[in-house]
Amino acid sequence: DAKTTQPNSMESNEEEPVHLPCNHSTISGTDYIHWYRQLPSQGPEYVIHGLTSNVNNRMASLAIAEDRKSSTLILHRATLRDAAVYYCILTRGGSQGNLIFGKGTKLSVKP
Amino acid sequence: DTGVSQDPRHKITKRGQNVTFRCDPISEHNRLYWYRQTLGQGPEFLTYFQNEAQLEKSRLLSDRFSAERPKGSFSTLEIQRTEQGDSAMYLCASSLLGTGFLGGYTFGSGTRLTVV
Repeated sequence: DAKTTQPNSMESNEEEPVHLPCNHSTISGTDYIHWYRQLPSQGPEYVIHGLTSNVNNRMASLAIAEDRKSSTLILHRATLRDAAVYYCILTRGGSQGNLIFGKGTKLSVKP
Repeated sequence: DTGVSQDPRHKITKRGQNVTFRCDPISEHNRLYWYRQTLGQGPEFLTYFQNEAQLEKSRLLSDRFSAERPKGSFSTLEIQRTEQGDSAMYLCASSLLGTGFLGGYTFGSGTRLTVV
């Protein structure tokens, strides 16, 4: 499975946008880019996923570089409840296997 | 549907004792996964089931660990002769076959095991 690289931690101020980067230089053409987040004392929860085009949903936006070797998760207005560990994960299209997690980025949000 | 349920939420046990955790997946999900997470690390895959069949086991799953999913519904994870190194959060997730690569995993809140 292709590997992802994320910063260990980031800080943000409440109500400001947050851009969480992820590098995946060995991504293959059929790999989907997923983001999950894990709130304190909770299991991971799905945030967003994409293949080639940018994606928006009620939680966040996903911006995918044209060469697909990097992506950015965008939280448009961070709230204190967004403080969590964010994981960028690649999954092979059509695969039935499990998610492989790295260490993720720990996001702190300051009031 | 209330999502993926795990029981208990917390378990403290003495070294050498056996423990069993239970996971109830989303009812229509036919895939069920177990992960282990230690402090500061991301979840590590242990094993997964499709219906009642255990299809893959990680090398992390030592002989002291066993998982079952009778009748393809709930699953149990048993750890025999617990060791202090088994202290971790044990997470369960479920998905519907064919949706995993489209964001279809749902995780429970986990069982935190402390071995003293």
